[in-house]
Amino acid sequence: AQSVSQHNHHVILSEAASLELGCNYSYGGTVNLFWYVQYPGQHLQLLLKYFSGDPLVKGIKGFEAEFIKSKFSFNLRKPSVQWSDTAEYFCAVTAQRGGYQKVTFGTGTKLQVIP
Amino acid sequence: NAGVTQTPKFRVLKTGQSMTLLCAQDMNHEYMYWYRQDPGMGLRLIHYSVGEGTTAKGEVPDGYNVSRLKKQNFLLGLESAAPSQTSVYFCASSYNPGKNTEAFFGQGTRLTVV
Repeated sequence: AQSVSQHNHHVILSEAASLELGCNYSYGGTVNLFWYVQYPGQHLQLLLKYFSGDPLVKGIKGFEAEFIKSKFSFNLRKPSVQWSDTAEYFCAVTAQRGGYQKVTFGTGTKLQVIP
Repeated sequence: NAGVTQTPKFRVLKTGQSMTLLCAQDMNHEYMYWYRQDPGMGLRLIHYSVGEGTTAKGEVPDGYNVSRLKKQNFLLGLESAAPSQTSVYFCASSYNPGKNTEAFFGQGTRLTVV
């Protein structure tokens, strides 16, 4: 079965620091990859997505992620974080399973940015 | 454009009571999902539907039932609520997760079972 691992559960950074959140997935076939963000008290919103093509994808608010197929990874990066980036970040993968597409989420990484 | 709307937003139940959570989407999406979100466990799929009249079990289906009588609505039922079902419930919909589309989420329902 497909699975998604986010090894960083809680990250604390100062404003202007660089961010990298890890995401690894396990699945042998073709996948689609996503990063979602959940601001405090809000629902999940899409940050960026990868379906095919350039493995470096750029999303909203200055976030980007790189798909490295050989490492089964899709790490999220931002060169300089802001206090407003404080949120929980979820990596997700969809894969073909028995004729339908199943979406699996990681357990999330809470990012706290200190002013 | 409402997107995905969940009702109610908050609810407190006593153990053994029943309730239904309603999810409505206006994007003509085929797929709909119910997740629960618990601290440190991320989002876990309860049930999902790949089209009107279809439902399927997710990772944690026990204690829940669902129905998709209309394409735009996906109902989640708790027949006999238990404290372990205290959680935040999110509904989501997508056109087709494999067709280069993402899931859109509702605002969530915070359920407390006492």
